[in-house]
Amino acid sequence: DADVTQTPRNRITKTGKRIMLECSQTKGHDRMYWYRQDPGLGLQLIYYSFDVKDINKGEISDGYSVSRQAQAKFSLSLESAIPNQTALYFCATSAGTGAGETQYFGPGTRLLVL
Amino acid sequence: AQKVTQAQTEISVVEKEDVTLDCVYETRDTTYYLFWYKQPPSGELVFLIRRNSFDEQNEISGRYSWNFQKSTSSFNFTITASQVVDSAVYFCALSAVNQGGKLIFGQGTELSVKP
Repeated sequence: DADVTQTPRNRITKTGKRIMLECSQTKGHDRMYWYRQDPGLGLQLIYYSFDVKDINKGEISDGYSVSRQAQAKFSLSLESAIPNQTALYFCATSAGTGAGETQYFGPGTRLLVL
Repeated sequence: AQKVTQAQTEISVVEKEDVTLDCVYETRDTTYYLFWYKQPPSGELVFLIRRNSFDEQNEISGRYSWNFQKSTSSFNFTITASQVVDSAVYFCALSAVNQGGKLIFGQGTELSVKP
């Protein structure tokens, strides 16, 4: 079984709809991250969490919110989806022992907002 | 500010050719880490290597090798005798200690290896 799982893997939604992307991990890592990937732009950090009680905004948090329900679960919500949020979304985890820890990525969720 | 630049957007080679993917980084931190990830056509991100700023030894893993040069702020990746399965987008990334461990990614280089 995969260490980092994301659901759904693909989603099509309409402008204005609320949508939640879920991430679960079995690696026992404290740190979890949400990124979005747009063609030609690499990955950009949306939110990150160093533990259940710690949530931080990344570079592009506007229009998104997150919830860390447990050490193993980190959800990303789009409160009112818009077409420019169409992207590939990745969840990642790393051990909480300091900077430079390797981040391990989930398989990604392809989101299309019509 | 932290920045990673992968100037090569796309590279196309024929199988068995050697190919080098360039990565140039910017940071004012003295302690930092550099990474390479591979994204095959299936879309997942696969970790390849991590290197810290105090270790400039080159590394070789099978057909893959990495050249880290602090003097030129570069961390280049070479694939020897490329294969079709090497076709993917490759990302270089930087994590600096004073930035809370956040990863800054380059734009990626799309490598196409033709038979």
